[in-house]
Amino acid sequence: KAGVTQTPRYLIKTRGQQVTLSCSPISGHRSVSWYQQTPGQGLQFLFEYFSETQRNKGNFPGRFSGRQFSNSRSEMNVSTLELGDSALYLCASSLDAGHTDTQYFGPGTRLTVL
Amino acid sequence: QQQVKQSPQSLIVQKGGISIINCAYENTAFDYFPWYQQFPGKGPALLIAIRPDVSEKKEGRFTISFNKSAKQFSLHIMDSQPGDSATYFCAAKKAAGNKLTFGGGTRVLVKP
Repeated sequence: KAGVTQTPRYLIKTRGQQVTLSCSPISGHRSVSWYQQTPGQGLQFLFEYFSETQRNKGNFPGRFSGRQFSNSRSEMNVSTLELGDSALYLCASSLDAGHTDTQYFGPGTRLTVL
Repeated sequence: QQQVKQSPQSLIVQKGGISIINCAYENTAFDYFPWYQQFPGKGPALLIAIRPDVSEKKEGRFTISFNKSAKQFSLHIMDSQPGDSATYFCAAKKAAGNKLTFGGGTRVLVKP
C-alpha cells in the first residue's frame, strides 16, 4: 500500500503570497490531520478533517485553512504568508476505526517564506 | 501552554547502552500515549504506544513505562544501535478525534 503522499515537497514563496499544500492519505483512510513543525515550536496541530468536515482545530490564525474532498484527499491553504510561516508542514492519515488507530505521517512539505 | 513536556532535549549514548527519554503531561483527559521516531527528511513514524491502564509495554528493544498518578511516561531504548540515531517525540491524545499533542522532541545520537 502506498504511504501518505504530500505535494509539493519543497516550496519557496515571498511574504504576502498565498500557498496551497496537498495531501493524499493512505487508501481507505478517512481522517487527515495537518501539523506544523518548526525548530522553535516543535510539532503543532493545525486541524483535522474527517468525512469532508473539520473535526478539530489548533490555535492558528484564520490565515490557515484547509479542506477535505470526497476521496479523503486534503489541502491546506495559508494566505498572506509571513516569515514565521516557514516550516515543515506534515500531513497524517488514519483509518479512524478506533481511538488507538495509528496515524501515518507523510514526508512533509518544506515551505520557505522569503 | 505546553501540555506535554519532554526531556532531555538531546542525548548521546554509546552503542549497546540504554537511552531514556521522559515525558510529563498535565491534562488528565489524555488517554493514549504514542512515541514517534523521526529521521532527517522524513515524517514521524509510530514506534510504540501505551494506554494509561497499562504500566509497561515492551516491543523488541523499546519499552514504555507509564506512571498514571505522576502523569509521567518514559521510553527506554535498550541495546541502542547507531541506526536508532533520530529524534524521538512523545505525544498524547484524548479519546475523541485524532489530535496529537507532542512533546518538544529528543535528539538521540548513538555512537559506535
